[in-house]
Amino acid sequence: RKEVEQDPGPFNVPEGATVAFNCTYSNSASQSFFWYRQDCRKEPKLLMSVYSSGNEDGRFTAQLNRASQYISLLIRDSKLSDSATYLCVVLTDSWGKLQFGAGTQVVVTP
Amino acid sequence: NAGVTQTPKFQVLKTGQSMTLQCAQDMNHEYMSWYRQDPGMGLRLIHYSVGAGITDQGEVPNGYNVSRSTTEDFPLRLLSAAPSQTSVYFCASRGISGTAYEQYFGPGTRLTVT
Repeated sequence: RKEVEQDPGPFNVPEGATVAFNCTYSNSASQSFFWYRQDCRKEPKLLMSVYSSGNEDGRFTAQLNRASQYISLLIRDSKLSDSATYLCVVLTDSWGKLQFGAGTQVVVTP
Repeated sequence: NAGVTQTPKFQVLKTGQSMTLQCAQDMNHEYMSWYRQDPGMGLRLIHYSVGAGITDQGEVPNGYNVSRSTTEDFPLRLLSAAPSQTSVYFCASRGISGTAYEQYFGPGTRLTVT
């Protein structure tokens, strides 16, 4: 089983709609969680960090469920510019390597 | 702050040639790493460093060497380029305490080996 798993998508979302997707992780000792967005052939950019139960930044909300070992990302009022691949990243300990998911592709359509 | 910088942005090599991809960060981050990303695939860790003088292998280290003589710089050396090393290479850095775990990536080097 992969350490971090994501639904690859694509999630096709009408502009203005809400989309949510999950990321599951296998290591129950994981401490910190991140969502990155990556545009085609560009570097991943940090979208949101989650150190406790969740985080919200504008139209983006991340929720952490430690009991079931998953983290979700919800995007409200989707914009065309939200089209990207969203990477789930998990940190097990401060010296540890970050574990990357393969990404979930979101396509927002007019 | 320039963040994480990488040079060159593009490079074409012939099979067997060697080269060094440069990476520098100005955030005083202890942790630096190199990834490669191939079409349709996720990021794969090549090598990483937790501080000057300390390096270790990631999941795909073969054909690459690294060194970390300063906190700021973490070059990646391709010893004898092969077509299988055609990829986009990203350097990244982060801290190792508190909210400094957030990792920042350089803009990438697009390498083609013919």
